[in-house]
Amino acid sequence: DTAVSQTPKYLVTQMGNDKSIKCEQNLGHDTMYWYKQDSKKFLKIMFSYNNKELIINETVPNRFSPKSPDKAHLNLHINSLELGDSAVYFCASSPIAGGSTDTQYFGPGTRLTVL
Amino acid sequence: AQSVTQLGSHVSVSEGALVLLRCNYSSSVPPYLFWYVQYPNQGLQLLLKYTSAATLVKGINGFEAEFKKSETSFHLTKPSAHMSDAAEYFCAVSVTGGGNKLTFGTGTQLKVEL
Repeated sequence: DTAVSQTPKYLVTQMGNDKSIKCEQNLGHDTMYWYKQDSKKFLKIMFSYNNKELIINETVPNRFSPKSPDKAHLNLHINSLELGDSAVYFCASSPIAGGSTDTQYFGPGTRLTVL
Repeated sequence: AQSVTQLGSHVSVSEGALVLLRCNYSSSVPPYLFWYVQYPNQGLQLLLKYTSAATLVKGINGFEAEFKKSETSFHLTKPSAHMSDAAEYFCAVSVTGGGNKLTFGTGTQLKVEL
């Protein structure tokens, strides 16, 4: 039973399209995150949500919009895709809001390729 | 703002040799430090973390790390490398009041040779 799952695993699309990535966790955690890993494997946080409330919103273009319908789900919608959006996007979750020592549990990633 | 620096983007060791992956941090407040491992085409998995208790932290798969405040370091070691240790290793830092925001280093690719 996968703890943090993401769909799709691979996403290939054209510039200008709109796409969504879905994330679900079955760990009962309160907090969920989106990270972007670029081609050099650098990982940077994009957003975090605690029980459907936005907590962290890093400097991310407003073409990226997270949506959390409930605390087990955090989806990422991207409008008007650009070449530079090509990356691997990871979803993660952790038990407690603001728990700075909490372990974050990562999903398997979604590899987005924009042509 | 806090940050981590990982020295050496690529490290190569022989099977059975000591593994040493370096991480230095910068933080104006007491940090919490983490090592995560990423196997090819997978998500990240926690190896170990320092949360201000014991400075020598033991993790999974025989890895350990020591928090040294005087050196602002949190280097990862394993006495004897195994082929299965080949992966990307990330050091990360968070601080109290940071909303559990992890700031990652640039990663170190560990290669294990026969």
